[in-house]
Amino acid sequence: GAVVSQHPSRVICKSGTSVKIECRSLDFQATTMFWYRQFPKQSLMLMATSNEGSKATYEQGVEKDKFLINHASLTLSTLTVTSAHPEDSSFYICSAKIGAGGPSSYEQYFGPGTRLTVT
Amino acid sequence: AQSVTQLGSHVSVSEGALVLLRCNYSSSVPPYLFWYVQYPNQGLQLLLKYTTGATLVKGINGFEAEFKKSETSFHLTKPSAHMSDAAEYFCAVRSSGNTPLVFGKGTRLSVIA
Repeated sequence: GAVVSQHPSRVICKSGTSVKIECRSLDFQATTMFWYRQFPKQSLMLMATSNEGSKATYEQGVEKDKFLINHASLTLSTLTVTSAHPEDSSFYICSAKIGAGGPSSYEQYFGPGTRLTVT
Repeated sequence: AQSVTQLGSHVSVSEGALVLLRCNYSSSVPPYLFWYVQYPNQGLQLLLKYTTGATLVKGINGFEAEFKKSETSFHLTKPSAHMSDAAEYFCAVRSSGNTPLVFGKGTRLSVIA
C-alpha cells in the first residue's frame, strides 16, 4: 500500500519558537494532502486541505497565520507551527491521497503522526 | 455535510468473544465509508472501506463491516477478539473522492484475557 512518512515523530520546543513538520508520500504522487490534529483520547480534527501548488484551505477556527501549510511538490507538504504555545501541544497527523478519479482516489493514506510538546 | 456517530467511547470484550463497534453516518449523498485502527502514538491504519458494490466488506485482521443504507449504519465486527485487537477504532465518511474524511469520535476497544 501507499506509504506516508512524517518527520519528526516527536518534537519538544520552547514557547515562542516555530516548528516545521514534514509529510512525504513515499511511493505515490499526492495531489491533495490533509493535516489533522488530535487531542488526547479524541478524534482527528481536520485543520486544512492543501493541493499541490495552491494555497491551503483551512477549516473554520484554524488560524492560517499560525499554522502555515506549504505543498510545494506532489510528494511533500509541510506544516509550520509559528510562535508555538503550550496549547498547541498535540498530535499532528498528515494524510495524502492520490489524484481525483478512480477507486484509488477514495482512500487517504495516513502518516504516523508527530507529537508536538511546547514547554 | 457528513457526520459520523460512534456509539460507545469504550467497548470491552473478553478474548475470543464477538467484537461489535457501532457506527452511524449522516450524508446527503451516497457515502464512502471507512474504518481505521490506531495504536497508541501511531497513525491510522485502514481496516476496510466501502465505496460501491457489495455491502459486506472484509478487511484486514479478520474484521468486516456491513453497509446498511436503510439504517445509515456501518458497524464493524470480528467473530473472535484477540488481545492484539486492543486499540482505538475510528469510523469515517466522505462524500466523494475529492472531499476529506470526516471522523467519528472513536471507540476504544479493550480485550480482557
